[in-house]
Amino acid sequence: DAGITQSPRHKVTETGTPVTLRCHQTENHRYMYWYRQDPGHGLRLIHYSYGVKDTDKGEVSDGYSVSRSKTEDFLLTLESATSSQTSVYFCAISQGSQPQHFGDGTRLSIL
Amino acid sequence: DAKTTQPNSMESNEEEPVHLPCNHSTISGTDYIHWYRQLPSQGPEYVIHGLTSNVNNRMASLAIAEDRKSSTLILHRATLRDAAVYYCILRGNTDKLIFGTGTRLQVFP
Repeated sequence: DAGITQSPRHKVTETGTPVTLRCHQTENHRYMYWYRQDPGHGLRLIHYSYGVKDTDKGEVSDGYSVSRSKTEDFLLTLESATSSQTSVYFCAISQGSQPQHFGDGTRLSIL
Repeated sequence: DAKTTQPNSMESNEEEPVHLPCNHSTISGTDYIHWYRQLPSQGPEYVIHGLTSNVNNRMASLAIAEDRKSSTLILHRATLRDAAVYYCILRGNTDKLIFGTGTRLQVFP
């Protein structure tokens, strides 16, 4: 299995609070991705990174920011969490055109 | 990005072959056909991918129509562990994957 660790695995927080999710990889892969998955939906891309300090928006980026200061870590931040951001968040990594490998997800509940 | 169409759900009995169809009539010449699956409470898992020719690996086979407008993921002998949501995805020149809602496969003992 690809070395991907998401933390925390579960989090409950209140509306308006900042939240940061972490994705850590040990594979030295160039590309990292953040997705969210809601009931009845497939995964939707939030942001992705193609190198240190190089990031770009996905299809549902509003309300989210990301940072990648080193190859192994990709952080997803909700500056002021809203109930609509309650979801399961998945991180993925890939090396160029190779298949993506996914983490086990973070279940985030915003009350 | 070109879209794919899959049935919402399919059923199979254990140890029987399963053929999961996918239509992608707007596929472009450079799009690869990828399949991922997602087991309950887990992240998606890569299964197989191909461009034009049929592909086999230890998990499954991928049969691609000659006009590339459809493909079929074949599980040769379904097991209970194969119960999952299967996603057919077209991947072009970017590294992004666009997930649809997939096919939920149920496997009965």
